[in-house]
Amino acid sequence: NAGVTQTPKFQVLKTGQSMTLQCAQDMNHNSMYWYRQDPGMGLRLIYYSASEGTTDKGEVPNGYNVSRLNKREFSLRLESAAPSQTSVYFCASRIPGQMYNEQFFGPGTRLTVL
Amino acid sequence: AQSVTQLDSQVPVFEEAPVELRCNYSSSVSVYLFWYVQYPNQGLQLLLKYLSGSTLVESINGFEAEFNKSQTSFHLRKPSVHISDTAEYFCAVSDRNTGFQKLVFGTGTRLLVSP
Repeated sequence: NAGVTQTPKFQVLKTGQSMTLQCAQDMNHNSMYWYRQDPGMGLRLIYYSASEGTTDKGEVPNGYNVSRLNKREFSLRLESAAPSQTSVYFCASRIPGQMYNEQFFGPGTRLTVL
Repeated sequence: AQSVTQLDSQVPVFEEAPVELRCNYSSSVSVYLFWYVQYPNQGLQLLLKYLSGSTLVESINGFEAEFNKSQTSFHLRKPSVHISDTAEYFCAVSDRNTGFQKLVFGTGTRLLVSP
């Protein structure tokens, strides 16, 4: 099992450009999450998908869109990147059928917006 | 809604010294508690979790955390740290009543172990 994979690992964008961050998991997890990590602020939830076909906003959704393409894949799109979106982005997924919320994380995408 | 406070942003210690990383949470409902560790340039990994039962939980690499309901705390401890424990540690809380809902993370504590 590869676990949770994310592409790309690094990306530099100019203000106004768009891009999609890809996330895939091969663990048959139902729920998937997108976080951003900023110094001194920990991880903040951007969007999550409790199951295939559903998505919900998290704490900081503005400027982002998501697509739960199928059970395995959950992508995050920046339509018009801004310097404030410079961050490290983590995707996570969760084991189905558990009441407690242990999540498994990908290695992250480091995004810089100039 | 829940919140997590990690008051120490950075904790420097010498190798083989004991360490405690503090975590306090706020919640109006019962919670599950977690500690995640992030090694440099890697994603987060679950270190240990408190779900129910014994309030003292242990990890395979010598860390332990104790759930204290009256103090609303879940401090992480290790009696003797190694250089390899250098990492950032995140405390997180999840609502026990709505299992699949969001994990709420603290701001993290960077543990720096020096020789």
